[in-house]
Amino acid sequence: QSALTQPASVSGSPGQSITISCTGTSSDVGVYNFVSWYQQHPGKAPKLMIYDVSNRPSGVSIRFSGSKSGNTASLTISGLQAEDEADYYCSSYTSSSTWVFGGGTKLTVL
Amino acid sequence: EVQLVESGGGLVQPGRSLRLSCTASGFTFGDYAMSWVRQAPGKGLEWVGFIRSKAYGGTTEYAASVKGRFTISRDDSKSIAYLQMNSLKTEDTAVYYCTRGGPYCSGGSCYPLYYFDYWGQGTLVTVSS
Repeated sequence: QSALTQPASVSGSPGQSITISCTGTSSDVGVYNFVSWYQQHPGKAPKLMIYDVSNRPSGVSIRFSGSKSGNTASLTISGLQAEDEADYYCSSYTSSSTWVFGGGTKLTVL
Repeated sequence: EVQLVESGGGLVQPGRSLRLSCTASGFTFGDYAMSWVRQAPGKGLEWVGFIRSKAYGGTTEYAASVKGRFTISRDDSKSIAYLQMNSLKTEDTAVYYCTRGGPYCSGGSCYPLYYFDYWGQGTLVTVSS
């Protein structure tokens, strides 16, 4: 199972919106609505930000939203804040009953 | 409050074995599948494997990179999940995270939970001679 494809880095200024893409195949992202997104600050454990493509866990800011079209999922962060600077990973359940992660995207808030 | 605490990491020589433990609290451990995810130094996340709840068969699935070498088990009476790692390679060097992830079963019904909602702090495994 190959890793999902994410851009290595994205950047934005405070208050702007950014979108991170996550491209998979018809065996993972495209087959189920089981895409999730994780935020990881340096030296910390990942934190769930979006599950089942577009659902936010309790306590996660409404500035975070997710969507999917075909084999590509997206995470959008609106109203960028300094504390959003982190690494972001997408993940998908697969038709082989396994999971696959994306390579990760480093978000820089300028 | 849900807590997951990993232990058992350390320095081990290539070809040797190591067992990690994940002690859970704050939820009905036996109802949930448990997963392991690792992160090599400076690299991204890699899913290692998971164990389903007993009600869902208690069966396991593994990533191709560890299949045949790693084994996940669970002791529901102690709320502990284990990751037994054999024939370790230098490329297994990573922080290993225990996560709650996979379908959960309660009251005779099972529900989809195909994401990792709680994570431990991680334990570092270094494979080196």
